[in-house]
Amino acid sequence: EVLLEQSGAEVKKPGEFLRISCKGSGYTFTSYWINWVRQMPGKGLEWMGRIDPRESQITYSPSFQGHVTISVDKSISTAYLQWSSLKASDSAIYYCARQASSYYGMEVWGQGTTVTVSS
Amino acid sequence: DIQMTQSPSSLSASVGDRVTITCRASEYISSYLNWYQQKPGKAPRLLIYDGSSLQSGVPSRFSGRRSGTDYTLIISSLQPEDLATYYCQQSYSNPTFGPGTKVDI
Repeated sequence: EVLLEQSGAEVKKPGEFLRISCKGSGYTFTSYWINWVRQMPGKGLEWMGRIDPRESQITYSPSFQGHVTISVDKSISTAYLQWSSLKASDSAIYYCARQASSYYGMEVWGQGTTVTVSS
Repeated sequence: DIQMTQSPSSLSASVGDRVTITCRASEYISSYLNWYQQKPGKAPRLLIYDGSSLQSGVPSRFSGRRSGTDYTLIISSLQPEDLATYYCQQSYSNPTFGPGTKVDI
């Protein structure tokens, strides 16, 4: 079974560092891109960026460039999304999603990681 | 970025009704339009890719069509389990999602 398993919910304070993870299983991890998608409370889906695990090539949405960092560890089939200094406005659910390549849809999704940033 | 619009933003329908949701892109996207279903408290699920191709495991009551620059998601006979928000997304360039259409039963 193809799965993307995300790390658990996080509660952090403004200014703190955070890294969340997305572990792929049941398929060849390097054969699919991993996207990160944000969903703020009660709002729609926003694409943040993606990584090609084979070459570690990263593309960011202009809206998120410089605010987050996407990375990957191929040896453990895991992609990461990190913030160096969280803000209250980063409170959201973050999803990872698999994509075969350009033009394809995101056909496998993780369960989501809820991030709460509050002082 | 390519902007996506959807209409309506919400709708209420009865079981058995035919439901139509429309999506439009601000630029040319060929057929690279995908539809997702998101049930309350759940992750999105891919329903339709390439404008009209049904994702494996998705019921056949869901279909997608393209007419010029308009893309349509059709639920031929609405079921209670179709209560969800539906999003379109273009994959012609860096992905962008539509604002969503909430379907109430």
